[in-house]
Amino acid sequence: AQSVTQLDSQVPVFEEAPVELRCNYSSSVSVYLFWYVQYPNQGLQLLLKYLSGSTLVKGINGFEAEFNKSQTSFHLRKPSVHISDTAEYFCAVSEMLPTSYGKLTFGQGTILTVHP
Amino acid sequence: ETGVTQTPRHLVMGMTNKKSLKCEQHLGHNAMYWYKQSAKKPLELMFVYSLEERVENNSVPSRFSPECPNSSHLFLHLHTLQPEDSALYLCASSPQVASGYEQYFGPGTRLTVT
Repeated sequence: AQSVTQLDSQVPVFEEAPVELRCNYSSSVSVYLFWYVQYPNQGLQLLLKYLSGSTLVKGINGFEAEFNKSQTSFHLRKPSVHISDTAEYFCAVSEMLPTSYGKLTFGQGTILTVHP
Repeated sequence: ETGVTQTPRHLVMGMTNKKSLKCEQHLGHNAMYWYKQSAKKPLELMFVYSLEERVENNSVPSRFSPECPNSSHLFLHLHTLQPEDSALYLCASSPQVASGYEQYFGPGTRLTVT
């Protein structure tokens, strides 16, 4: 079975500062990796995903993430955050198995709060 | 209307009530999912449907009963719930019921069981 750990439950930062949200995973098989964002009173929206190829993945809203297979990590970064980035961020994995049926296993989420 | 919609957005029900949550996707997807988001717990997958056939039941109690009459609609029928079932219930759809495809989420139904 797979698991996902988001190491920080809350990350406060000032506007225009860089930010990194950390994610580690565990799985006995290869996985696909995702980051989703949830704004208040909304569903989840995909920020980016890693399927294969280059380990540096660029997503929407200026976010990027780097897949590190040896460290089983998929940390999310943004060089300069905005107030509008305040939201909860979820890391998720999906095992590369036909019987996974696309099941996403999520971390517990990181609340990013951007202060002026 | 586009995307994934869910109704109602908020629901309060007693433990003896019967209610249903509705999800509709306008994306032409073949796969639909129910997730539960509780406070202080990770999102949990409940059910997976592929082309109206249930392919995954993630050890969900029988007081939750899903129904998928066609590939665009998904229901979650609720009866004799417990207070610990209070949560945000999210519906999602995906082009295929396979790993690697993005799942598109609805806004959720906030359920409170009294």
